[in-house]
Amino acid sequence: DIQMTQSPSAMSASVGDRVTITCRASQGISNYLAWFQQKPGKVPKRLIYAASNLQSGVPSRFSGSGSGTEFTLTISSLQPEDFATYYCLQHSSYPLTFGGGTKVEIK
Amino acid sequence: EVQLVESGGGLVQPGGSLRLSCAASGFTFSTYWMTWVRQAPGKGLEWVANIKQDGSDKYYVDSVKGRFTISRDNAKNSLYLQMNSLRAEDTAVYYCARAGSIFVFFDSWGQGTLVTVSS
Repeated sequence: DIQMTQSPSAMSASVGDRVTITCRASQGISNYLAWFQQKPGKVPKRLIYAASNLQSGVPSRFSGSGSGTEFTLTISSLQPEDFATYYCLQHSSYPLTFGGGTKVEIK
Repeated sequence: EVQLVESGGGLVQPGGSLRLSCAASGFTFSTYWMTWVRQAPGKGLEWVANIKQDGSDKYYVDSVKGRFTISRDNAKNSLYLQMNSLRAEDTAVYYCARAGSIFVFFDSWGQGTLVTVSS
């Protein structure tokens, strides 16, 4: 099974900060990686697909990069509505696996 | 507009069974892989099962193998999850989502249905 190690698990940041979240895969997954945002009590929302492609309708301050085993989600300038939990997902092979999540809180 | 609507959740005793349904609309259901994902209270997301367009291929997370069965009815645009021998650790919100190519993988989710396993 491919393990997805997401870091940090939680962070405090201020509006306007640049935020970087990392997911490391235990083996190569090419670009079969997606990023999701989930707010409390809400359905997960896909932000990035194929590691670096921005989902339609998602603000351009979100970006994804990486390939193989190391991936990054970057929020260039954190906005109040971005405080949420973020998850990565590998879909290169079964079982599909999510990262443990990164909770982004207000500093 | 893609819509996925889950139903069938509820309270069930340990060892009991439940069948979840997911009604799909707004896209050609029969041409997409489909998936179930769950989230235990206060925990992260966990993939549960996937099913191919024609139902011929199915994949499960180890913790549900032999207990859960994913199925679909393309004529009814519906996805199902039959859950047997339920355990307390199966308590979660269950989401259905659209799978498929890398471009649409998990792009649309239902609102979720809560399954509580408790005596």
